Amino acid sequence: AQTVTQSQPEMSVQEAETVTLSCTYDTSESDYYLFWYKQPPSRQMILVIRQEAYKQQNATENRFSVNFQKAAKSFSLKISDSQLGDAAMYFCAYRPTSGTYKYIFGTGTRLKVLA
Amino acid sequence: GAGVSQSPSNKVTEKGKDVELRCDPISGHTALYWYRQRLGQGLEFLIYFQGNSAPDKSGLPSDRFSAERTGESVSTLTIQRTQQEDSAVYLCASSVDGLVGPQHFGDGTRLSIL
Repeated sequence: AQTVTQSQPEMSVQEAETVTLSCTYDTSESDYYLFWYKQPPSRQMILVIRQEAYKQQNATENRFSVNFQKAAKSFSLKISDSQLGDAAMYFCAYRPTSGTYKYIFGTGTRLKVLA
Repeated sequence: GAGVSQSPSNKVTEKGKDVELRCDPISGHTALYWYRQRLGQGLEFLIYFQGNSAPDKSGLPSDRFSAERTGESVSTLTIQRTQQEDSAVYLCASSVDGLVGPQHFGDGTRLSIL
């Protein structure tokens, strides 16, 4: 069965600094999608970044980038120049490209940004 | 509307009562998901609808839980004979399809069982 593990329940970062959130997953599939979602206190989940497993190049979205290591089944999120508005829960998620469209979510990492 | 709309935002009910939660997806989105999020936990998949195909109900925790969706419109999640362990935020998401389109989430319904 596929699983997603986020081993850091909570992380802190100083404003303007860089922080990396870890995510590992387990699957026997060769093709799949990986996601990072942000959930601020308002509760609404927001897609931060998406990576397709067949793509070697790491995805980037402005200050957000990933380090995708397929062989190691690792998918970390790097946030550069952290801002107060980045404070939220961050969830890593996995979804295969075929067979089922069910998403598997990790348990989340709470990110605190210190002024 | 522009986004996924869920109602009610909050629901408090007594143990043993039935509740119905509503999700109005983004217009044109064929895929719709329901998740449960217990306090301090990640998202737990409940059910997935894709167009007119049979839904994937594999995440429903018991036969007290059911969901319906007519075509590509509104979905309702019903919990019968509620228990205290049903207390959670119930999130709905839709996507343009279940293949490559990203999920767009609603704000959720916070359900509290007394």
